[in-house]
Amino acid sequence: GAVVSQHPSRVICKSGTSVKIECRSLDFQATTMFWYRQFPKQSLMLMATSNEGSKATYEQGVEKDKFLINHASLTLSTLTVTSAHPEDSSFYICSASHPRQVREETQYFGPGTRLLVL
Amino acid sequence: DAKTTQPPSMDCAEGRAANLPCNHSTISGNEYVYWYRQIHSQGPQYIIHGLKNNETNEMASLIITEDRKSSTLILPHATLRDTAVYYCIVRVGNQFYFGTGTSLTVIP
Repeated sequence: GAVVSQHPSRVICKSGTSVKIECRSLDFQATTMFWYRQFPKQSLMLMATSNEGSKATYEQGVEKDKFLINHASLTLSTLTVTSAHPEDSSFYICSASHPRQVREETQYFGPGTRLLVL
Repeated sequence: DAKTTQPPSMDCAEGRAANLPCNHSTISGNEYVYWYRQIHSQGPQYIIHGLKNNETNEMASLIITEDRKSSTLILPHATLRDTAVYYCIVRVGNQFYFGTGTSLTVIP
């Protein structure tokens, strides 16, 4: 149990275009999902917290107009990278919070999406 | 910001126990310690978590000191497939802030 999927697994796009990444919790409902970004040889950096039915909360320094997050259902969150540029090339990873108990929420991670902007 | 510190790298002989330390000296009384690992180009994989008592599951054991300021993840019989970056995380609110982790290399 606790499987999280992402689609696509990798995407190549031209500079200036927008790219949408989907994150799904397959066997549980997640009121909260998270989006991370990871550059080569670096750790994961939290970008935003996505709550079902409400606006996402962005970490300091992350542009909310560039990284649009929608969490329309308890099993799906999407991240849209708008007007992508080469510096947005990265590994994007989502996670979903499994609500065992309020204090024990364990995050389960998707396999990641590798974005390359040419 | 991450509330944990870990050694950047460790080696372990195949078949031996791998003991990965983590310091979390500012942890609060009701904050859990989580361990994940990331194999190259994959999403992090959940290993184990605990509050104050030692925990064991099919993957690993977690030993938390009595003052809760540090913990150790134990992989009892390391295999080559355990080579990965291991992250120790203390949740802040409902968010995880990843530190740099420990790169574990299991040597044949």
